[in-house]
Amino acid sequence: GAGVSQTPSNKVTEKGKYVELRCDPISGHTALYWYRQSLGQGPEFLIYFQGTGAADDSGLPNDRFFAVRPEGSVSTLKIQRTERGDSAVYLCASSPQGGGPYEQYFGPGTRLTVT
Amino acid sequence: AQSVSQHNHHVILSEAASLELGCNYSYGGTVNLFWYVQYPGQHLQLLLKYFSGDPLVKGIKGFEAEFIKSKFSFNLRKPSVQWSDTAEYFCAVRRGSTLGRLYFGRGTQLTVWP
Repeated sequence: GAGVSQTPSNKVTEKGKYVELRCDPISGHTALYWYRQSLGQGPEFLIYFQGTGAADDSGLPNDRFFAVRPEGSVSTLKIQRTERGDSAVYLCASSPQGGGPYEQYFGPGTRLTVT
Repeated sequence: AQSVSQHNHHVILSEAASLELGCNYSYGGTVNLFWYVQYPGQHLQLLLKYFSGDPLVKGIKGFEAEFIKSKFSFNLRKPSVQWSDTAEYFCAVRRGSTLGRLYFGRGTQLTVWP
């Protein structure tokens, strides 16, 4: 079956602009995660959805970042007033559920560059 | 401070050499442990995982890892590496008290020369 997909694969935007990054999880996976990976670092957690609700948003760096998952499937990460420090690869992962003996399946990521 | 430590940032080996990549974490209590690999141009994929039971776990492509609770470690091993093992390796921890989120180490780049 299809894995986690993310669009766009690359996004270049100017400082101050608004961007949306999309994640399409594996069908039937109720848990969805967003991570951010900066150069030379491991992925850093941003937010976790269980179904439609954000079960843990403690990783969002500030109120410029927001994510939604209105129908419990596709999720969109939204970044307002982008800054150069937001440049990173944004990873999405999904899992059959949040707890339990399940791994997270990662998508290919969206590389965001803020100029 | 890093909660998951991978002390080797870049490891260079010749084919057939043995590999051990270190991973230490700083959480008490129940943990689930993972090693993920990212081959050049590909996305993160799971090598192996530990949830409970036998602390020696075997994964894909001949990799294994041992959970040593007293040392807060989950080191990755392979007896004989191949050129195709060239990749970046990430250790990740899920704390029992948190629903699902993973804490990653900063990764180890492994380069294997043929």
